[in-house]
This record gives sequence, structure tokens and C-alpha cells, in this order.
Amino acid sequence: AQSVAQPEDQVNVAEGNPLTVKCTYSVSGNPYLFWYVQYPNRGLQFLLKYITGDNLVKGSYGFEAEFNKSQTSFHLKKPSALVSDSALYFCAVRSLFSGGYNKLIFGAGTRLAVHP
Amino acid sequence: DTGVSQDPRHKITKRGQNVTFRCDPISEHNRLYWYRQTLGQGPEFLTYFQNEAQLEKSRLLSNRFSAERPKGSFSTLEIQRTEQGDSAMYLCASSPGPDIGNTIYFGEGSWLTVV
Repeated sequence: AQSVAQPEDQVNVAEGNPLTVKCTYSVSGNPYLFWYVQYPNRGLQFLLKYITGDNLVKGSYGFEAEFNKSQTSFHLKKPSALVSDSALYFCAVRSLFSGGYNKLIFGAGTRLAVHP
Repeated sequence: DTGVSQDPRHKITKRGQNVTFRCDPISEHNRLYWYRQTLGQGPEFLTYFQNEAQLEKSRLLSNRFSAERPKGSFSTLEIQRTEQGDSAMYLCASSPGPDIGNTIYFGEGSWLTVV
């Protein structure tokens, strides 16, 4: 079965510093990886995805993510954090196998807190 | 695109009552999904439609839950005889089609509180 792990419940970073939110996955076959952000009492907003090709994916609001097949990771990064980036971040995966084709499987989420 | 629209955004109901949520997907998206999210957890898949056909249901979708998409456009999710454990945010999402690389776009969610 496919799964996603976000090992950190919360990440704290100072404004202006680089941030990383970690994600590892487990699937059969090639993964299709996604990052979403959720602000309080709101739905999920799509940030970026990895389908194939370049391992470094750029997305919305200055975020990027690096796909690492050997480490089965897809960490979210931003060179300079803003206070407004404070939110809940979810990593998700789809795959061609293990019943994962037709749905996203999400991690438990990581709360990002950016301090002024 | 006006985005995925959900109604109502918040619903408080007494245990044992029935509730219904409506979802309007992005225009011309033929895939529609329902997810459930509880506090401190990631969204969990409930079911999805390809046009009007409901093609997969999670084991989370007990027989008190029913979802429809009668004309392949909007969808409803009904919960009968609500229980306190049903309290959660119900998220609707849509995508242009079955391609595994398609982005799935989510609505703002419908919060359900069962008292």
C-alpha cells in the first residue's frame, strides 16, 4: 500500500531564513507527488507537483520541491520564509499501483510557523 | 475558473439528524472527489465520480453515507443518522480527467459539528 510520511509535526523558522518541510513516500512503481497548503479553516491550495523530468520542481509563492528517488523523498523548500507562509502543509502521492491511481494519499501534515 | 464551491461552509446538527452537503466542481472537470479531514489529520479519501458514475468508495464510507452526482455536474454528500464521530471537515475536489498527473483542486470545505 502506498503511504506518505511527514516526520515533523511542526517546523519553526525565522522570517527571511530558508525553510524545508520534509516528506517521504512509499509506493509501488513511479510516484506522482504533490504539495498542498492549508490556511486556518480553509480548504487545500495546490502548490506544486512532480510528475516526471527535472527533479527540482518550482511552484506557487516561491516554493520549490526536490524529488529524490533514492531517498524516496520530496521535500518542500523556500529560500526566504515569510510570516504569511505560516500554515499547514500536506504532501500527497498517487501511483499507478496499489489502488493509488484514482486518489491522492496524504501525509498527516506539517505546521509551519514563521516568526518575525 | 471560479474554483470548487461547497455549501454550506459550516453545519451544526444534533446527533441522529441527516445532513447534506453540496459541491459544484470547476466547470468541465469530469472527475469529482470527496475527502474527509479531522483535526490534526490529513484528508482521507471517501469516494470519487467520473462524470455521473461513482467508481470507487472507501471503507470509511459507511452505509449511512451516500454520494450522488446525478447529471455529472454538482454532487451531494448525505450523512444519515449523524454520530459525533462524523464531526469533521468534508472536502470536495475536482480534476479535468483521469490522467494521473492531473492536479486535483479542492474546495473550501464544509465543516460538520455533531452535538
